[in-house]
Amino acid sequence: AQSVTQLDSHVSVSEGTPVLLRCNYSSSYSPSLFWYVQHPNKGLQLLLKYTSAATLVKGINGFEAEFKKSETSFHLTKPSAHMSDAAEYFCVVTLTGGGNKLTFGTGTQLKVEL
Amino acid sequence: NAGVTQTPKFQVLKTGQSMTLQCAQDMNHNSMYWYRQDPGMGLRLIYYSASEGTTDKGEVPNGYNVSRLNKREFSLRLESAAPSQTSVYFCASTPRRTDSTEAFFGQGTRLTVV
Repeated sequence: AQSVTQLDSHVSVSEGTPVLLRCNYSSSYSPSLFWYVQHPNKGLQLLLKYTSAATLVKGINGFEAEFKKSETSFHLTKPSAHMSDAAEYFCVVTLTGGGNKLTFGTGTQLKVEL
Repeated sequence: NAGVTQTPKFQVLKTGQSMTLQCAQDMNHNSMYWYRQDPGMGLRLIYYSASEGTTDKGEVPNGYNVSRLNKREFSLRLESAAPSQTSVYFCASTPRRTDSTEAFFGQGTRLTVV
C-alpha cells in the first residue's frame, strides 16, 4: 500500500520569504513522487518529479524538492515566494512497478501576503 | 495540441438524474483515469483504464460506471446522481503503465447535484 501525508493544510508566507511545504510518504516499494500545483478554478500542473535519479529535483518557477529516503520525506521548497505562487499544492506518490495509480495527499493551500 | 479535454465544464443535476462526463486525449496515451476532488481530501481515484479495452476500480467507484470507448476516449457515467456526488471531476492520462510518467489532467468538470 502507498500513502502520502501533507503535514500542513494551510501555509502563509510573506512575498520574498522562503516557502516550505512538507510531505511524507509511505510505500512498500521504491516510489516515484510528484508535486502538482492547482491555481484557483484551474486544472493541475506538474511542478516536479522524483524518479530514483538525483535526490534533489528542480522544477518549474524556482521550486525544488529533496527526496530523503531515511525520513520518507519529499518536501517542496522555494527560496523566495511570489504572489503568483498562491495556489494549492499536492504531493503525489506512485509505486515503482505498480502502474500509474497516483495517490494524492490532501493538499496544502499556500497564501502569499505582501 | 489540446491535451486532455473534458466536457462539460459545469453541470447541475437533480437527484436521480443520470449523465455522462466525456474525456478525450490526443496524445496517444495508453492509460486514462477519473478522479474526484473534494475540499480537504485531495484527489481520489474513481476508475482507471490501463489500456484500451480494460477498466478497473479505484478508491471510490460506487455510484459510477466507465467506458473506454477507444484509445482516445474515457467516459464516466452517473446512473442516478446523489448529492454526495457533488464534486469536481478530473480526467487524466499517462503514456503507458509505468511509474515515472507524469499524468496530464483536463481542466475539470464542476458537478452539483441538488
